[in-house]
Amino acid sequence: DQQVKQNSPSLSVQEGRISILNCDYTNSMFDYFLWYKKYPAEGPTFLISISSIKDKNEDGRFTVFLNKSAKHLSLHIVPSQPGDSAVYFCAASAIQGAQKLVFGQGTRLTINP
Amino acid sequence: NAGVTQTPKFQVLKTGQSMTLQCAQDMNHEYMSWYRQDPGMGLRLIHYSVGAGITDQGEVPNGYNVSRSTTEDFPLRLLSAAPSQTSVYFCAAKKATGAGSPLHFGNGTRLTVT
Repeated sequence: DQQVKQNSPSLSVQEGRISILNCDYTNSMFDYFLWYKKYPAEGPTFLISISSIKDKNEDGRFTVFLNKSAKHLSLHIVPSQPGDSAVYFCAASAIQGAQKLVFGQGTRLTINP
Repeated sequence: NAGVTQTPKFQVLKTGQSMTLQCAQDMNHEYMSWYRQDPGMGLRLIHYSVGAGITDQGEVPNGYNVSRSTTEDFPLRLLSAAPSQTSVYFCAAKKATGAGSPLHFGNGTRLTVT
């Protein structure tokens, strides 16, 4: 049972345009959602997070939107840069199950010059 | 400050062999965990620890053992390697057990079992 799903394995975006990565979840008990970025041969690095009591969180070029009724979140990157080319993982956790961060399958983002 | 250090970076095992993947952190974080990454599966939790002397199972614990004798170290043992354990393994640590605190990952160990 995949509790966190990223249905797009890959996404290609032109440099300077907006990149939108999507994530769906099934567990309504999740309290926090996090996005990680991963380059080849490196570990994932934390990018941005959002609490379930908010619907938007912004950090520079990165914004995460949360729609609890649809159990959907998205990561917006604007403007997209070549260095943003990486695999992006969505993850979620519940306060009661705080030890278990559940990850999606990942989306490979490619920024084209 | 190295963060989370994993050794070795690469390893090839024959079916039935045993080995230990090492993980050390210098951030004094209480929580540590092991994930495996497989194509199309994302990252799946194997085992985790909320502090020295305390470990628990994650989503895919079978075939793996862990121990946490110190805050710094969290080794992962493969008792009898199987081809299904071919994967990239990541160790991670975080400051607190709170749901919103982010994990800090090592750079991974790529394991091949033949």
